[in-house]
Amino acid sequence: AQTVTQSQPEMSVQEAETVTLSCTYDTSESDYYLFWYKQPPSRQMILVIRQEAYKQQNATENRFSVNFQKAAKSFSLKISDSQLGDAAMYFCAYRSAMGSSNTGKLIFGQGTTLQVKP
Amino acid sequence: SQTIHQWPATLVQPVGSPLSLECTVEGTSNPNLYWYRQAAGRGLQLLFYSVGIGQISSEVPQNLSASRPQDRQFILSSKKLLLSDSGFYLCAWGSGTGHEKLFFGSGTQLSVL
Repeated sequence: AQTVTQSQPEMSVQEAETVTLSCTYDTSESDYYLFWYKQPPSRQMILVIRQEAYKQQNATENRFSVNFQKAAKSFSLKISDSQLGDAAMYFCAYRSAMGSSNTGKLIFGQGTTLQVKP
Repeated sequence: SQTIHQWPATLVQPVGSPLSLECTVEGTSNPNLYWYRQAAGRGLQLLFYSVGIGQISSEVPQNLSASRPQDRQFILSSKKLLLSDSGFYLCAWGSGTGHEKLFFGSGTQLSVL
């Protein structure tokens, strides 16, 4: 079974600085998708960024980018120019792309709470 | 456009009482549906998912059950709640394909006392 691990329960960053959130996963599959979701205090789940495992190029979305290391099974999220609105809980998630396993379900890590200091 | 409705937003129930949480999706057909639970300050644990009417898969052994009586309706139930059932419950839907994201409801905070 696949697992996702986020080893940093809490992180803090100064406004306008850069922060990196770590995520590792365990899988024997070669084809899958990885996601970062944000959960602000409203508790609404918001997709931040996603990565297809077959793509070597790291995904970017404005101030958000990932460092995807397939061999190391690592998928970290970098937030540049941090803003107060970035304060939230961030979840890393895995989805299998294999035929019979393609139920679309996401497997989530335990989350990292990010504090942004003004 | 697609929307997902989940209710109630907050629920306080005594131990041993029954539970019924409902989730409905609009604007799409034959969605994959999911129930997740989030313990306080923790990650999301997948409880059930459904790829079609009447098709329910359970991810973890528990005191809860799920049903999908209609294409876009997903219900989470319990006959007798336990203290350990407390948590934040999220319903989600997705197309089941590849890189497509899951769309989440606004959640139900359940407190079992």
